[in-house]
Formats: sequence, C-alpha cells, structure tokens
Amino acid sequence: KAGVTQTPRYLIKTRGQQVTLSCSPISGHRSVSWYQQTPGQGLQFLFEYFSETQRNKGNFPGRFSGRQFSNSRSEMNVSTLELGDSALYLCASSLNRDDWYQETQYFGPGTRLLVL
Amino acid sequence: GENVEQHPSTLSVQEGDSAVIKCTYSDSASNYFPWYKQELGKGPQLIIDIRSNVGEKKDQRIAVTLNKTAKHFSLHITETQPEDSAVYFCAALRAGNMLTFGGGTRLMVKP
Repeated sequence: KAGVTQTPRYLIKTRGQQVTLSCSPISGHRSVSWYQQTPGQGLQFLFEYFSETQRNKGNFPGRFSGRQFSNSRSEMNVSTLELGDSALYLCASSLNRDDWYQETQYFGPGTRLLVL
Repeated sequence: GENVEQHPSTLSVQEGDSAVIKCTYSDSASNYFPWYKQELGKGPQLIIDIRSNVGEKKDQRIAVTLNKTAKHFSLHITETQPEDSAVYFCAALRAGNMLTFGGGTRLMVKP
C-alpha cells in the first residue's frame, strides 16, 4: 500500500504571497491532519479534516486554512506569507473508524517551505 | 491544553548500549502515546505506541512503558545500532487527532 504523499516537496515563496500544499492520504484513510515543524517551536498541530469537514483546529492564525475533498485528499493554504512561516509542513493520515478511538497517524515526507 | 516535555534533548551512546528517552504529559485525560523516529529529510515514522490501558509494550529491541499515575512514559532501545541514530519524538493524544509532541531527542549511536 502506498504511503502518504505530499506535493510539492520544496517551495520557495516571497513575503505576501500565498501557497497551497497538497496531501494524498493512505488509501482507505479518512482523516488527514496537518502539522508545522520548525526548529524553534517543534511539531505543532494545525488542523484535522475528516469527511470533508474540519474537525479540530490548533492555535494558528486565520491565514492558515485547509480543505478536504471527497476522495480524502487534502490541501492546506497559507495566505499573506510571513518569514516565520518557513517550515516543514507535514501531513498525517489515519483510518478513524470511530470518532472515539485514537488511530495511529502515519506521516508523509513533508513539504519544505522557504519564505524570503 | 496538553503539554509534553521530553528529556534528554541529545543522547549519545556506544553501539550495543541501551538508550532511554523519557516524556511527561500534563493532561490526565490523554490516553494514546506514540513514539516517532525522524531521519534527516524525512517525515516522522511511527516506531511504537501504547494506550492508557497498557503499562508496557515491546517490539523486538524497542519497548515503551507508561505510568499513568505519574503521567510519564519512556522509550527503551536495547542493543543500539548506528542506524538507530535519528531524532525521536514522543507524543500524547487526548481526543480527536490532535497530537501534542515533545521537543525531540537527537540520538547518536557511535560505532
């Protein structure tokens, strides 16, 4: 079974631009979560999508948004980029057979975003 | 919200020795604790996980222990090998899929 894939793998943008990152979960997985990884703040939860609905959200400004499609693929968007948005953005997918059961999350390789 | 602290931040061991990484969490409602290994240029890879109804879990050279009363859990790697060198993250999950991660431990295994 193919793992979680993320595109693109690398991106360079300038301040003020916007960016869209894509994530394809493992086949059959219904939940997609996004995390930001930086040297200073570590791994931080951005948001989670399940059945095309945002189910959980972390403490990030409204410039960070996302969506999920009917095939469970997900995109995240960052508008008005700031230098501090430079990070590795990771996507994780899980089965989520039941809302109450914490399923294992499997991570993709990430998209490295550099904002100049 | 949940807070996870991880120690040590760096750990250097000789090949064949054991390595232990410890984490504490703050939210007593957390009930799922995975450990991830991250190599350079890659995403975190799950190596072992434990749920709150279990005190210990082992998978070959890797074991995890959980003390719910003290709110801490530990990763034990025995007979370390150079390929075990990586950054290891502990995490805790209370509800939904919002993992809270520790700060990471850089493990270096010297041949």
